Amino acid sequence: DAGVIQSPRHEVTEMGQEVTLRCKPISGHDYLFWYRQTMMRGLELLIYFNNNVPIDDSGMPEDRFSAKMPNASFSTLKIQPSEPRDSAVYFCASSFFVWDEQYFGPGTRLTVT
Amino acid sequence: KQEVTQIPAALSVPEGENLVLNCSFTDSAIYNLQWFRQDPGKGLTSLLLIQSSQREQTSGRLNASLDKSSGRSTLYIAASQPGDSATYLCAVKYYAGNMLTFGGGTRLMVKP
Repeated sequence: DAGVIQSPRHEVTEMGQEVTLRCKPISGHDYLFWYRQTMMRGLELLIYFNNNVPIDDSGMPEDRFSAKMPNASFSTLKIQPSEPRDSAVYFCASSFFVWDEQYFGPGTRLTVT
Repeated sequence: KQEVTQIPAALSVPEGENLVLNCSFTDSAIYNLQWFRQDPGKGLTSLLLIQSSQREQTSGRLNASLDKSSGRSTLYIAASQPGDSATYLCAVKYYAGNMLTFGGGTRLMVKP
């Protein structure tokens, strides 16, 4: 398996624009997680899915953030409208079970100017 | 609040030295603990996963231990090499919340 795939790897956008980050989990993994990493706050869980259903979105910072998982092999994290404070590295991870080892994608580095 | 702390935040050692990275957590009700490596500008690579019922896990020159009662885990790196230079992150999966809670990481530099 190619591992967790994320796109794009880098995204630079202007404040107010919509940003969509994409993730393809490892085939067969039932759990998908979205994390954000910043210098100030470290790694934080934003939301996670089980069998395509959002289970816990308490980490999503604001209504500007939304995530979907239309099928077992694809998920999106959308920010609309984007703000400079959203600049961070966004990681997607997946696992077989919730207590299992998590495998991380390479991340998307987002810069909002 | 369930927290994970890693000390020190940064560590510099000469090549060949054995070293220990520390991780502490506030609640012993955990599923497991996972150690990751992160290279600059890269994603996270899982190194070792210790289930709550286990005391240690080994992979090559790495050995991770877990003491739930004291809320501590250590990552032991034997015979360190310059290629080990990276940030090492500890993450705990607590029963409550089903999420990984990350420590702030230890930035390791191994000098040739």
